Amino acid sequence: SAVISQKPSRDICQRGTSLTIQCQVDSQVTMMFWYRQQPGQSLTLIATANQGSEATYESGFVIDKFPISRPNLTFSTLTVSNMSPEDSSIYLCSVEGDRGDYEQYFGPGTRLTVT
Amino acid sequence: GQSLEQPSEVTAVEGAIVQINCTYQTSGFYGLSWYQQHDGGAPTFLSYNALDGLEETGRFSSFLSRSDSYGYLLLQELQMKDSASYFCAGGGYNKLIFGAGTRLAVHP
Repeated sequence: SAVISQKPSRDICQRGTSLTIQCQVDSQVTMMFWYRQQPGQSLTLIATANQGSEATYESGFVIDKFPISRPNLTFSTLTVSNMSPEDSSIYLCSVEGDRGDYEQYFGPGTRLTVT
Repeated sequence: GQSLEQPSEVTAVEGAIVQINCTYQTSGFYGLSWYQQHDGGAPTFLSYNALDGLEETGRFSSFLSRSDSYGYLLLQELQMKDSASYFCAGGGYNKLIFGAGTRLAVHP
């Protein structure tokens, strides 16, 4: 399984500002995924990032609010823009395993608090 | 729409066996996965059923019946460290949908 790191691990931000979360994988992967998880809740897919193409966003998530970059096969960033307290959550990146997107490996997450 | 339903909480004692059920309503699902998440940790992949039947991985087994849109995770010889949230997940191409999660509490 891939080893995934995320930066920062946590942050406290003021409303109206933006935060960029980095996701680094120790091997080349085609697809990377970004999720949001409220504490004690389920995971919600934000978008899928494929290297060399625009990210695909799920319903309720837009590029202006959550721009994603995927400059190479081992790295991706998610920016949370113009933050409000409702954006307080844990943000996780993940990559596919050998069995495709049913087998995903997650980074440790970024815990974001917006005040 | 696409959704997966599982019980919110399950309680069991050490050494026991517990089954966490998952029913799903969707089209296009071609399998069911299970993930474990400890408090403060990231989800970790446990198992994947692409075909009907039982898959066994150590103390954990997972079952799928696609005709019934139903699956379960079976945990045997429960240990305190198994206390965690367990998520079933399914989806189509490049999109995994997670259930709400089942919080398992294992007591001595």
